[in-house]
Amino acid sequence: AQSVSQHNHHVILSEAASLELGCNYSYGGTVNLFWYVQYPGQHLQLLLKYFSGDPLVKGIKGFEAEFIKSKFSFNLRKPSVQWSDTAEYFCAVSRSGNTGKLIFGQGTTLQVKP
Amino acid sequence: NAGVTQTPKFQVLKTGQSMTLQCAQDMNHEYMSWYRQDPGMGLRLIHYSVGAGITDQGEVPNGYNVSRSTTEDFPLRLLSAAPSQTSVYFCASSRTTGGKTEAFFGQGTRLTVV
Repeated sequence: AQSVSQHNHHVILSEAASLELGCNYSYGGTVNLFWYVQYPGQHLQLLLKYFSGDPLVKGIKGFEAEFIKSKFSFNLRKPSVQWSDTAEYFCAVSRSGNTGKLIFGQGTTLQVKP
Repeated sequence: NAGVTQTPKFQVLKTGQSMTLQCAQDMNHEYMSWYRQDPGMGLRLIHYSVGAGITDQGEVPNGYNVSRSTTEDFPLRLLSAAPSQTSVYFCASSRTTGGKTEAFFGQGTRLTVV
C-alpha cells in the first residue's frame, strides 16, 4: 500500500534559519506530489505541487521543494523562515491520473521563534 | 467563488447520536473526498466519490456512510457517534486534467463526541 513518511514531527527554528522538511513516499509509479500548510485553527492550503517536468518546484511564500525520483523524496525547503511560518506542514501523494485520493504524511509542526 | 463549503464548523455530540456533516462544492469537480485529521496521524481518507452515484471506501470507513446524489454535494453521516470519532473532518473536491490532480479543501468541521 502507498504510504508517506515525514521524518520530522516537530521542528523548532529561530527566525532567519533555513528549513528543510523531509518527505518520502512508497509508490513506484507516476505520482503527483504536494505540500500543504495548515496555520493554527485554519484549513489546509496548498504550498506547492509537482506533476512533471522540472523537479525543483517553487511555491508560495518563498517555499520550494525538490523531487528526487531515485530517492522517492519530495523535501520542502525555505532559505529563511519567519515567525509567520509557524504552522503544520503536510506532504501528500496521489497516483497520477488518480481519482483525487491523497495519501498524507503524519505532518510536521514547525515552530519559529522570533 | 465559494469553493468547498463545509457545515457545521463545530459540533458536539453525545455517544450514540447521529448527524450529517455537509459538504458542497461549486467547481463542478467530479471527485470528492472526506478525510479526518488526528494529531500525529496526518489526514486519513474516510470515503471518496468519483462522480454522482459512485462512492467507495478509503482507509478508515468504519462508522461512516456517504452518498453522492449530485455532483455538488457529498454528505458524511455518522450513524451512531463514538468518542473515537472525535476529530477534525475535511472535505475535498478534486479535478484531474491530463493526469494532474489537484485537491481543494473545505474549512473543516471540528467534531467532539462525549
